[in-house]
Amino acid sequence: AQKITQTQPGMFVQEKEAVTLDCTYDTSDPSYGLFWYKQPSSGEMIFLIYQGSYDQQNATEGRYSLNFQKARKSANLVISASQLGDSAMYFCAMREITSGTYKYIFGTGTRLKVLA
Amino acid sequence: DSGVTQTPKHLITATGQRVTLRCSPRSGDLSVYWYQQSLDQGLQFLIQYYNGEERAKGNILERFSAQQFPDLHSELNLSSLELGDSALYFCASSPGGTANTEAFFGQGTRLTVV
Repeated sequence: AQKITQTQPGMFVQEKEAVTLDCTYDTSDPSYGLFWYKQPSSGEMIFLIYQGSYDQQNATEGRYSLNFQKARKSANLVISASQLGDSAMYFCAMREITSGTYKYIFGTGTRLKVLA
Repeated sequence: DSGVTQTPKHLITATGQRVTLRCSPRSGDLSVYWYQQSLDQGLQFLIQYYNGEERAKGNILERFSAQQFPDLHSELNLSSLELGDSALYFCASSPGGTANTEAFFGQGTRLTVV
């Protein structure tokens, strides 16, 4: 069954340091997408980065990179050079392609606090 | 601006009442998804529509129903409201099908049941 697990309810990081947010997933579908979203205190959902199951290279978007380890079924988000504005909830999500429903399933989230 | 419009932004209503949340997807997107986010919780998938047809159902209560209209906008109807239904309700849209793009979220409707 489609499942996303985020085991870190909360994380602290010092400003300008790098931080890794963990995400593991479970699927039997060979074709899927993995997504990370940021939810600041204002509530909106902001898309950060995407990784396809067949992508050979790890995705990067500015200060965000996705450490994709397919065999371990993990898709960790790495934020480099943390900024105070990075303080937010972060959600990992997955979308199966060949299952036919194409719905997005989200993990429980990790609350990141960046310290000055 | 994601291009997804949700109305209203805030809604306060009494227990036992019925409300309708509205969502206009991004231009060209055929899929609409509804999610419920209770306080400090993750996003619970409720239901998905694709081009007017129900595609997938999550943990949606029988008191809740939804539909997608020919112009692709969607409505989520919540009836016999209980205090526990207070939450942030998100609508998201995507092109749908096998196109592996991100879902674009609206700003959400914050429902408070008193």
